[in-house]
Amino acid sequence: AQSVTQLDSQVPVFEEAPVELRCNYSSSVSVYLFWYVQYPNQGLQLLLKYLSGSTLVKGINGFEAEFNKSQTSFHLRKPSVHISDTAEYFCAVGSSRLTFGEGTQLTVNP
Amino acid sequence: EAGVAQSPRYKIIEKRQSVAFWCNPISGHATLYWYQQILGQGPKLLIQFQNNGVVDDSQLPKDRFSAERLKGVDSTLKIQPAKLEDSAVYLCASRVTGPGNTIYFGEGSWLTVV
Repeated sequence: AQSVTQLDSQVPVFEEAPVELRCNYSSSVSVYLFWYVQYPNQGLQLLLKYLSGSTLVKGINGFEAEFNKSQTSFHLRKPSVHISDTAEYFCAVGSSRLTFGEGTQLTVNP
Repeated sequence: EAGVAQSPRYKIIEKRQSVAFWCNPISGHATLYWYQQILGQGPKLLIQFQNNGVVDDSQLPKDRFSAERLKGVDSTLKIQPAKLEDSAVYLCASRVTGPGNTIYFGEGSWLTVV
């Protein structure tokens, strides 16, 4: 069984500020972790994924995430956000099929 | 490279009516998924196909939902009869078979049941 908990349902930040979106997971098998972004009225787009190796994963649009096995976490970070980063972000765990968290709405204000 | 195509994008029906959604995956992707995303929630898996065979349909409400993937390419998801709680976005996704491979999503079919 696997599950994902996204600890914040909404995160408001100002433009150019750093942001962290938190994700904890539970899995009884090998862990593959993903972050997806969903812009309004669109499907999900992969930001980054962790399969193995380096625990710091870099993705598109300047995002990165760190896999922490002892804390069962996979938090997403960006050092400086833009207005265009406003979207819903989903953390997911799985191999052949994904289990998603409930999402974090990131709102970047000017 | 063309992405996952879905149609229709938007559909409004009355409860107890039927509806069908179509999906064309990325060429060469043997694995196809249907997810249901209710407003304000994360996507939840309804069914997973490998070629034209069902791998997992444990979360599919089989009394009203059905899905098929004839010839291992396009897929259709049907709801009959629809209930108010079926109002959601139905996301089709596909990937090349293999652990950890990226799952690519379509833009979704938005269903409103009134």
